[in-house]
Amino acid sequence: GAGVSQSPSNKVTEKGKDVELRCDPISGHTALYWYRQSLGQGLEFLIYFQGNSAPDKSGLPSDRFSAERTGGSVSTLTIQRTQQEDSAVYLCASSQREGGETQYFGPGTRLLVL
Amino acid sequence: AQSVTQLDSQVPVFEEAPVELRCNYSSSVSVYLFWYVQYPNQGLQLLLKYLSGSTLVKGINGFEAEFNKSQTSFHLRKPSVHISDTAEYFCAVKEVSGYSTLTFGKGTMLLVSP
Repeated sequence: GAGVSQSPSNKVTEKGKDVELRCDPISGHTALYWYRQSLGQGLEFLIYFQGNSAPDKSGLPSDRFSAERTGGSVSTLTIQRTQQEDSAVYLCASSQREGGETQYFGPGTRLLVL
Repeated sequence: AQSVTQLDSQVPVFEEAPVELRCNYSSSVSVYLFWYVQYPNQGLQLLLKYLSGSTLVKGINGFEAEFNKSQTSFHLRKPSVHISDTAEYFCAVKEVSGYSTLTFGKGTMLLVSP
């Protein structure tokens, strides 16, 4: 597609439930990133996928968070047993090797945990 | 590791006035520099980037930024702002060599009033 897309755009869930957030990167981009944007916390890096290499999971805040990237394209971020502090906007970005690996962002998924 | 400091959390300005949003960074290695803009309830949009070459970089919507290596700064400027420029602006850096993700500043909210 023309840009990075994310779904759903909004998600309301109850504490303790699992949620899945989806990201479709720009076609041909080999790298994919997940970030979290919370009030007062700014933008936090979560996880990075580059081609077929093992992902960099160093930003994941707990083992309740995981992500997959299937076929080098679509990625799913899963949050298990959601907590209220997981409420945030989850942003996905993709990039290619050239051009300084400029990251292009999707519109985000706004997650609210009640 | 890198860090980015955006000195002003909010910048109020009147329409058609000039504006400068400040960004300073810290890094032991060479970096690429980026400015992103986030309009309400939207994702991040790339405004401009510095990879190499001329230190004065022009971006979209009439914005420009100047890379100053000695002062480790990358301030964003616009000579005349519009109401529609009201948004949050994020400065970010990324290491030139090897793998690294973006490190963001905490953002500056630009508030343009008539």
